[in-house]
Amino acid sequence: QKEVEQNSGPLSVPEGAIASLNCTYSDRVSQSFFWYRQYSGKSPELIMSIYSNGDKEDGRFTAQLNKASQYVSLLIRDSQPSDSATYLCAVNGNSGGYQKVTFGIGTKLQVIP
Amino acid sequence: EPEVTQTPSHQVTQMGQEVILRCVPISNHLYFYWYRQILGQKVEFLVSFYNNEISEKSEIFDDQFSVERPDGSNFTLKIRSTKLEDSAMYFCASSPTSQPQHFGDGTRLSIL
Repeated sequence: QKEVEQNSGPLSVPEGAIASLNCTYSDRVSQSFFWYRQYSGKSPELIMSIYSNGDKEDGRFTAQLNKASQYVSLLIRDSQPSDSATYLCAVNGNSGGYQKVTFGIGTKLQVIP
Repeated sequence: EPEVTQTPSHQVTQMGQEVILRCVPISNHLYFYWYRQILGQKVEFLVSFYNNEISEKSEIFDDQFSVERPDGSNFTLKIRSTKLEDSAMYFCASSPTSQPQHFGDGTRLSIL
């Protein structure tokens, strides 16, 4: 069973702080990595994709990938109450199939005003 | 911005009945997917569809399920002989290449 592991949280951070969300995956041949944001009762919304080792920045979001450690993270700078949501780590291109995306359970983030 | 559209937003069906969930993917996308999310659980891959055929499917996607692209715009998921455990949010997604995938708002399926 190919797994994507996340701490379900909740992770509480004060407004303006950096939120750090972490994810590990079990399948070494995984090729593509995504972070989705899911508000309660809503669908997943893609916020970041990363395909190679290192950091990728987009506005307040930075995704980090370390394939050797099988570790993906998402940093949210200057966290806002509107960032309060569940953040889903997702992985594909693994031995389960190139199009199949495997999701983690998600980390619930609470940004406290 | 183009969106993936799903109908209905909520479907209530008696156990044992057949249900069809409908999706209109983003128009220039080539890959189409169905996922489900049981309340409080992970988003789970069901099936991917490319070039008018199933390209990948999970162990969940058994003979109870089928997908079709009946015309140039719609993409449907049919669930036969529904069971209580089929109650979930069903998400359609599409992508121009095999990744990343953009999700619709989902259909909440309730089996009574």
